[in-house]
Amino acid sequence: QVQLQESGPGLVKPSQTLSLTCTVSGGSISSGDYYWSWIRQPPGKGLEWIGYIYYSGSTYYNPSLKSRVTISVDTSKNQFSLKLSSVTAADTAVYYCARAGVTATLDYWGQGTLVTVSS
Amino acid sequence: QSVLTQPPSVSAAPGQKVTISCSGSSSNIGNNYVSWYQQLPGTAPKLLIYDNNKRPSGIPDRFSGSKSGTSATLGITGLQTGDEADYYCGTWDSSLSAGQVFGGGTKLTVL
Repeated sequence: QVQLQESGPGLVKPSQTLSLTCTVSGGSISSGDYYWSWIRQPPGKGLEWIGYIYYSGSTYYNPSLKSRVTISVDTSKNQFSLKLSSVTAADTAVYYCARAGVTATLDYWGQGTLVTVSS
Repeated sequence: QSVLTQPPSVSAAPGQKVTISCSGSSSNIGNNYVSWYQQLPGTAPKLLIYDNNKRPSGIPDRFSGSKSGTSATLGITGLQTGDEADYYCGTWDSSLSAGQVFGGGTKLTVL
């Protein structure tokens, strides 16, 4: 059974960089069949896709966030990471990592981690 | 504003049937597979339906999905109080702003 777990600071100051890591267990990031994803959900609102990374390092980002987002992968640790720069209060959300198949199906999700942007 | 359009809320009595619609365009639903996700209060979304109408292992056949043109529908029969949740449709959008897109979510209330 594949499991994903997000980790990182729950509080980030405005203008700083949000950094989160997703650790994958029960399966290998390097399997090549999946894209590893970040999605966020502001309090009381819907889901917003942030981006994907393939094990090779290829990335696909939400055009509205592309200038501030970097997703990277560490296959040796079976982890992938998210960096979001120049954050504002609008970036306050629960951040989820998830596994995506070739038809964009998100079949396994982490439990999510709340990140609050506040001074 | 979400790329895919869902009704904000639907409701029905226990035991009844409900459908949730998801409307898009040719760049997303019209040419790509649709998934549906259930989000119980305070939890992460869970995959309910993938590739328009397939159920992952463990999802009861009370849940069904269909797609026609640029719209998709989630059906739930034999409603239970435990089905009260937010439901989201999702797919890939192949336009110039390509990426994973979601509907705004539909709150299901089981009266």
